Amino acid sequence: GAGVSQSPSNKVTEKGKDVELRCDPISGHTALYWYRQSLGQGLEFLIYFQGNSAPDKSGLPSDRFSAERTGGSVSTLTIQRTQQEDSAVYLCASSLGIPGQTSYEQYFGPGTRLTVT
Amino acid sequence: AQSVTQPDIHITVSEGASLELRCNYSYGATPYLFWYVQSPGQGLQLLLKYFSGDTLVQGIKGFEAEFKRSQSSFNLRKPSVHWSDAAEYFCAVGALGHTGTASKLTFGTGTRLQVTL
Repeated sequence: GAGVSQSPSNKVTEKGKDVELRCDPISGHTALYWYRQSLGQGLEFLIYFQGNSAPDKSGLPSDRFSAERTGGSVSTLTIQRTQQEDSAVYLCASSLGIPGQTSYEQYFGPGTRLTVT
Repeated sequence: AQSVTQPDIHITVSEGASLELRCNYSYGATPYLFWYVQSPGQGLQLLLKYFSGDTLVQGIKGFEAEFKRSQSSFNLRKPSVHWSDAAEYFCAVGALGHTGTASKLTFGTGTRLQVTL
């Protein structure tokens, strides 16, 4: 079956522009997660969706970052007025999202490499 | 709040030699622990997981890990390393969300494994 997919794989944008990153989770997975991987900060949690709601947005670094999920499937991470420090690899993961141990198994996509010039 | 420490940033081993990557965690409840591997330019692949029960867990690619509660450790081992094991390895601890499902993963800073022939 298909894994988690993300698009675009690479994005180069100018400082101050807005960008949208897309994540398509594994079919049937109700939980979806966004992480950011950068040289200085390692792997950081950004936001977590259960269905279309986001119970935990604690990792979003500023109000320039937002995410939504519609139809319990695809999610979009939006960064407004990008800054150079936003340059990183943005990883999406999904999991079954049902109570129990299997919900902890997160499966990751290949990531979107964002470069802000 | 949970945290994960991987004390070794970089490890070099000869092909065929044994490997142990260290991981220490801090978590207030029963931890859910994971090891992921990331090859260059790739996403994260789940190697193995510990939820409960037998403290020695087997994973893919011949890896195993042992959970030691008294030492707050979850070290990854492999008896004989192959050149294709060269990658970055991340230890992670899972948190429980308010719905009883997994919330976020907190990752260590990673250990880069180099394999010499």
